Amino acid sequence: ETGVTQTPRHLVMGMTNKKSLKCEQHLGHNAMYWYKQSAKKPLELMFVYSLEERVENNSVPSRFSPECPNSSHLFLHLHTLQPEDSALYLCASSQESGGSSYNEQFFGPGTRLTVL
Amino acid sequence: AQSVAQPEDQVNVAEGNPLTVKCTYSVSGNPYLFWYVQYPNRGLQFLLKYITGDNLVKGSYGFEAEFNKSQTSFHLKKPSALVSDSALYFCAVREVSNYQLIWGAGTKLIIKP
Repeated sequence: ETGVTQTPRHLVMGMTNKKSLKCEQHLGHNAMYWYKQSAKKPLELMFVYSLEERVENNSVPSRFSPECPNSSHLFLHLHTLQPEDSALYLCASSQESGGSSYNEQFFGPGTRLTVL
Repeated sequence: AQSVAQPEDQVNVAEGNPLTVKCTYSVSGNPYLFWYVQYPNRGLQFLLKYITGDNLVKGSYGFEAEFNKSQTSFHLKKPSALVSDSALYFCAVREVSNYQLIWGAGTKLIIKP
């Protein structure tokens, strides 16, 4: 496997289910990101783990919970989601070296989530 | 506040013609600017970036972008469009001191044979 992988690629869940999205990066990067992509809207940054520090968007509901056990793996735990949470969830990684870094982010193919 | 605007939801170009996808930005300091492309059912792929130096930046697949500080723009260009260039294009900006990207809403590029 190369680059950034995400599983599953598609997920349909009911509002009472609990599920997890998985992301793995094979690039040796030290920062990982979760984005939400909805049609015709800017990508919404949900969570960042960078240089062992977690940064989050305060507008993300608590029904989304990230976990980053090491620099190569990132999870997004989902519980009691709402239909408006249906979207494409993208994982990305980059190599960061402090505030002046300008390296690009590498993206996985995404998980298409549908909440019924 | 930082922001990125892509004023066109969709751009239609005939194959072989030049194309331009527009992007303007607003940041408080010096910007780092990026273009990404997204093909159907795929994640975003990096095309090019502006950090400093020459205002004309060359990237993947024959794309280039011109940084214009006075107009706070970073338009994506290609001299001769291909049908395979049809995709969704995103502009993004980050400030020098902040690793988080601010994204535009995307522009759908359609190249007709």
